[in-house]
Amino acid sequence: DQQVKQNSPSLSVQEGRISILNCDYTNSMFDYFLWYKKYPAEGPTFLISISSIKDKNEDGRFTVFLNKSAKHLSLHIVPSQPGDSAVYFCAASEVGNQFYFGTGTSLTVIP
Amino acid sequence: DTEVTQTPKHLVMGMTNKKSLKCEQHMGHRAMYWYKQKAKKPPELMFVYSYEKLSINESVPSRFSPECPNSSLLNLHLHALQPEDSALYLCASSPTETGYTEAFFGQGTRLTVV
Repeated sequence: DQQVKQNSPSLSVQEGRISILNCDYTNSMFDYFLWYKKYPAEGPTFLISISSIKDKNEDGRFTVFLNKSAKHLSLHIVPSQPGDSAVYFCAASEVGNQFYFGTGTSLTVIP
Repeated sequence: DTEVTQTPKHLVMGMTNKKSLKCEQHMGHRAMYWYKQKAKKPPELMFVYSYEKLSINESVPSRFSPECPNSSLLNLHLHALQPEDSALYLCASSPTETGYTEAFFGQGTRLTVV
């Protein structure tokens, strides 16, 4: 049973616009959430994280929002750049670092 | 040094072969992980080592045998694999198993079983 879900397999955005990637989870015990970026044939690269005591965390062009009541998080990329084109995975963990990954969203930023 | 290094990058093996995947990190991390990723699927956790001891085995078949010789090295020994075991095998590390930190991933080993 998939505890972390990304319902949009793909997303296309114009360069300079905002990219919004969404993630839903079912386990209310998850208390730490992360976003990873992955290029083909490479390992995931950490982008940004948020703990359950916060509802927003920002790092440069990347902002993660957490809505615990809805069990939903999102990643905003502003402005989007062609180099952002990759597969984005959200991940969640409970207590420790046993990460559970979502199914991924393939982002294409069109120049 | 914030790298997790995996070797080899690619591996083709027969179903009767024995091979090993290697993973190394020099960040002083005390938790190390093996993940398996099939095409268009998320990484799936296989094993977790915490302070060089196996702490989690996610019901992985015995044809996969992990080993942690020291705090910097993690191996995955492969024997009698099946074609469906073909996948990208990812190693990761994090400072501890219980802290709220990210895991750093290696580039993976692309395994093909023929």
